[in-house]
Amino acid sequence: DQQVKQNSPSLSVQEGRISILNCDYTNSMFDYFLWYKKYPAEGPTFLISISSIKDKNEDGRFTVFLNKSAKHLSLHIVPSQPGDSAVYFCAASEKSSGDKLTFGTGTRLAVRP
Amino acid sequence: AAGVIQSPRHLIKEKRETATLKCYPIPRHDTVYWYQQGPGQDPQFLISFYEKMQSDKGSIPDRFSAQQFSDYHSELNMSSLELGDSALYFCASSFSPSENNEQFFGPGTRLTVL
Repeated sequence: DQQVKQNSPSLSVQEGRISILNCDYTNSMFDYFLWYKKYPAEGPTFLISISSIKDKNEDGRFTVFLNKSAKHLSLHIVPSQPGDSAVYFCAASEKSSGDKLTFGTGTRLAVRP
Repeated sequence: AAGVIQSPRHLIKEKRETATLKCYPIPRHDTVYWYQQGPGQDPQFLISFYEKMQSDKGSIPDRFSAQQFSDYHSELNMSSLELGDSALYFCASSFSPSENNEQFFGPGTRLTVL
């Protein structure tokens, strides 16, 4: 039962353009949503997070949008840079379940120079 | 800034052997989480500790045990290793309360069971 889904396994974007990574979830009890970036043979690196009471959070080139009614969130990266090429994981947690993270399956982003 | 430290980074064991993975959280972080990532899979939660007490348990086999020590470092002990235990094992730490439950991950330990 995959509670957090990233339906696009890969995405290719031109440098300087916008990258949009999508994530859907099924558990309406999730309180927090987070995005992580992962390079091979390294641990996930925290990028940005959002609480379920908000619909947008912005940090530099990264913006996360949350649509609770659609159980959907997205990560926007503007402008995309070649160094952004990595696997991006969406994750969610529920306070009443001990704050463990439930991860999506990941989207591999390739930013072309 | 100090990050989460995991040791060893790589470990090769034979079936039925035991393994111990160590995690040193970011200073002043009081919560440690362990995750397992199999090949081509997303990380799966195993177990977590808050202030040296087990706080939550996920899909962790009975052959595995873990604890958090007085200096907040944690160890994951794995016995009777099976081929299917080959995976990346990540430790993450956080400070409670955190704004949006941000967890910071270590570089992982790659365990290979032969």
